[in-house]
Amino acid sequence: GAGVSQSPSNKVTEKGKDVELRCDPISGHTALYWYRQSLGQGLEFLIYFQGNSAPDKSGLPSDRFSAERTGGSVSTLTIQRTQQEDSAVYLCASSPRGGLLAGYNEQFFGPGTRLTVL
Amino acid sequence: AQSVTQPDIHITVSEGASLELRCNYSYGATPYLFWYVQSPGQGLQLLLKYFSGDTLVQGIKGFEAEFKRSQSSFNLRKPSVHWSDAAEYFCAARGGATNKLIFGTGTLLAVQP
Repeated sequence: GAGVSQSPSNKVTEKGKDVELRCDPISGHTALYWYRQSLGQGLEFLIYFQGNSAPDKSGLPSDRFSAERTGGSVSTLTIQRTQQEDSAVYLCASSPRGGLLAGYNEQFFGPGTRLTVL
Repeated sequence: AQSVTQPDIHITVSEGASLELRCNYSYGATPYLFWYVQSPGQGLQLLLKYFSGDTLVQGIKGFEAEFKRSQSSFNLRKPSVHWSDAAEYFCAARGGATNKLIFGTGTLLAVQP
């Protein structure tokens, strides 16, 4: 079956512009995660969605970052007024379920979107 | 603070040699533990996981890992490395009360012919 897909695969933008990154999770997966992979910081958690619960935004680095998940499926990560330090690979993952009683909870990762801010 | 440490940034082994990649964690309680592999331009692929029970876990591609509570370690091993194993390996942990993964900084594996 289809895995997690992300678009675009590469995005080059100018400092100060807004960007939107898209994630299509595996069909039926209720939990969705965004991570950022950068040279200086490694792999960092950004945000987590689980069903209709309020998202866990504890990893978002600033208020320029936001994300939404429409209809419990597709998610969009938006970065406003991009800065050079936002350059990174943004990874999306989904899992069959989340929550405190999730138990076995493998996260399946997409190929990522490489963002370059000039 | 919760953390995962991979002390080796870069390792080079010869094809056919054995491999051990180190991972240590710092958590209040034993977390769920994972090893992921990332090939160039690819996403993360799960190699294996530990939740409870048998401390030696088998994964895909001939990898195994051993959980040692006394050492807070979860080292990845492979008895004979293949050239196709060249990639970056990430150890990750997840606490029982959260769903986010905390990753180590990764170990880049190079395989010499």
